[in-house]
Amino acid sequence: DAGVIQSPRHEVTEMGQEVTLRCKPISGHNSLFWYRQTMMRGLELLIYFNNNVPIDDSGMPEDRFSAKMPNASFSTLKIQPSEPRDSAVYFCASSFSGQANQPQHFGDGTRLSIL
Amino acid sequence: AQKVTQAQTEISVVEKEDVTLDCVYETRDTTYYLFWYKQPPSGELVFLIRRNSFDEQNEISGRYSWNFQKSTSSFNFTITASQVVDSAVYFCALRNSRGGATNKLIFGTGTLLAVQP
Repeated sequence: DAGVIQSPRHEVTEMGQEVTLRCKPISGHNSLFWYRQTMMRGLELLIYFNNNVPIDDSGMPEDRFSAKMPNASFSTLKIQPSEPRDSAVYFCASSFSGQANQPQHFGDGTRLSIL
Repeated sequence: AQKVTQAQTEISVVEKEDVTLDCVYETRDTTYYLFWYKQPPSGELVFLIRRNSFDEQNEISGRYSWNFQKSTSSFNFTITASQVVDSAVYFCALRNSRGGATNKLIFGTGTLLAVQP
């Protein structure tokens, strides 16, 4: 079975550029999560969608970050303009439902470096 | 407030040794869920196990076992006869049962396990 698919795996770009991260959740899962992992802050939830609707975006750092989920099989996380402090590993995860007992299954992550 | 503490930052063992990774959690909820995830050097996060707060039965899966004790708010993870492939960062996580925006998965800071050959 295909897991959560993220692209690209690695992204290196210069500050000020727009960055778009992509995620395809597991088929049949209706909850999708975007996380950021850094050494300093560990794993942080950025935004959470349920049935394509954003439920909690309180973790989005600032207006430079935006996320969309136009349909059940695709989501994007966009950073515009990017800054060096955005360098991190970004994970997408999906779960069968938004219920707390459902485990979240993670993609391989996108390692983002902003120069 | 909810919190997950993994006091062991790094553990190093020699292959075939048993090792226990500690996890202590804090929550005021009576119903909650605990999880363990593995992050190998390749970087992906792999779901290992989920435990409900109302089920204190310990679980064994091959060389892996989990000891859940509500009395001490702990959910420890033991690897028996460790192998080099077990080398990874292991995360313990907590989620309450309330729905909506407050229902976040709270991760501990992780324990780096290095299994030496």
